[in-house]
Amino acid sequence: NAGVTQTPKFRILKIGQSMTLQCAQDMNHNYMYWYRQDPGMGLKLIYYSVGAGITDKGEVPNGYNVSRSTTEDFPLRLELAAPSQTSVYFCASSYGTGGSGNTIYFGEGSWLTVV
Amino acid sequence: KNQVEQSPQSLIILEGKNCTLQCNYTVSPFSNLRWYKQDTGRGPVSLTIMTFSENTKSNGRYTATLDADTKQSSLHITASQLSDSASYICVVRSGLLTGGGNKLTFGTGTQLKVEL
Repeated sequence: NAGVTQTPKFRILKIGQSMTLQCAQDMNHNYMYWYRQDPGMGLKLIYYSVGAGITDKGEVPNGYNVSRSTTEDFPLRLELAAPSQTSVYFCASSYGTGGSGNTIYFGEGSWLTVV
Repeated sequence: KNQVEQSPQSLIILEGKNCTLQCNYTVSPFSNLRWYKQDTGRGPVSLTIMTFSENTKSNGRYTATLDADTKQSSLHITASQLSDSASYICVVRSGLLTGGGNKLTFGTGTQLKVEL
């Protein structure tokens, strides 16, 4: 199993550009998440999905969109990139909601810089 | 507001020595507490998961403790190795029935450096 795979690893965007961060998992997990990690801060939830066709906002959803057409894939779309979106983005997945025994697996991260 | 605070913010120890990292939380109701290891430039990797009824859990040289009464946890690393150099993140899950997937509160991590 590859686990959670994110692409790209690094990207530089100009203000106002758009892009999609790709995320795929091969563990047949129902739950998938997108987090951002800013320097000196804990991870913040952007969006999550409890299954194909179902998504919901997390703590910091503004400026982002997601879709979940399959169990495996959960892309994150950045529309009209802003410098405040410069961050490290992590995709994650879990079998359940993260209750006892439900390990949450993280991807390797995507470093995004908006200039 | 749910919060997770970790101390120290950073720590330098010599290889072979032991160390203990602290985590205090105010998440309520409590469901479980996790410790993750995050190597530089990588994603977090789970070390331990503890529920309310568990006081201690080990994973190799890593031992986590939980005091649900005082809302404190610690991660003890025994006989440290250079490869232990990483950020260690404490994560607490809320036991609220609502909130969907947004139940985790992440600490900011303790940056550990192990030197020769």
